[in-house]
Amino acid sequence: KQEVTQIPAALSVPEGENLVLNCSFTDSAIYNLQWFRQDPGKGLTSLLLIQSSQREQTSGRLNASLDKSSGRSTLYIAASQPGDSATYLCAVRLDDYKLSFGAGTTVTVRA
Amino acid sequence: NAGVTQTPKFQVLKTGQSMTLQCAQDMNHEYMSWYRQDPGMGLRLIHYSVGAGITDQGEVPNGYNVSRSTTEDFPLRLLSAAPSQTSVYFCASSYSTGADTQYFGPGTRLTVL
Repeated sequence: KQEVTQIPAALSVPEGENLVLNCSFTDSAIYNLQWFRQDPGKGLTSLLLIQSSQREQTSGRLNASLDKSSGRSTLYIAASQPGDSATYLCAVRLDDYKLSFGAGTTVTVRA
Repeated sequence: NAGVTQTPKFQVLKTGQSMTLQCAQDMNHEYMSWYRQDPGMGLRLIHYSVGAGITDQGEVPNGYNVSRSTTEDFPLRLLSAAPSQTSVYFCASSYSTGADTQYFGPGTRLTVL
């Protein structure tokens, strides 16, 4: 059974610092990995999708890497802002139909 | 283009009551799914559908029923609510499966007393 872990569960940084969020998974046979952002009381917003054949994806200040062999993905957020405060979840696609989610890392960026 | 919509936003039920959570999307997506999110846990898949008339069970299907009569709608029915079903429920859709980005609705917060 695929296990997805995100450590730490919570993170607090001063504004301007770079954020590094980790996601690990136990089974490397994945289709892709997706990073989501969730604001309190809201749904999930997709940030980046990395296919299993890719090593990284970038969008603006966000960069996500994928190392299937070691079962790890890292989301980097450059020059953090208070508006980046949210919970970040990673999810791996196991087959055509199922996503397996981590429990998330809650980020607070202090002004 | 409203994306994925869910109703109601909040609901309180008594044990044993039944209800239907509504989900609709206007993006002509074939794939739709229901997840529940509990504190300290990741989202868990309840049921999914790969097109109108086709549904299948996910990781935690017990106590829930689904049907897919149209491409747009994918309601989730709680047959006899139990306190263990207190959770936040999310509906998601994607164009097809595999490589596609999942789009999520805003969620329904359900409390069962």
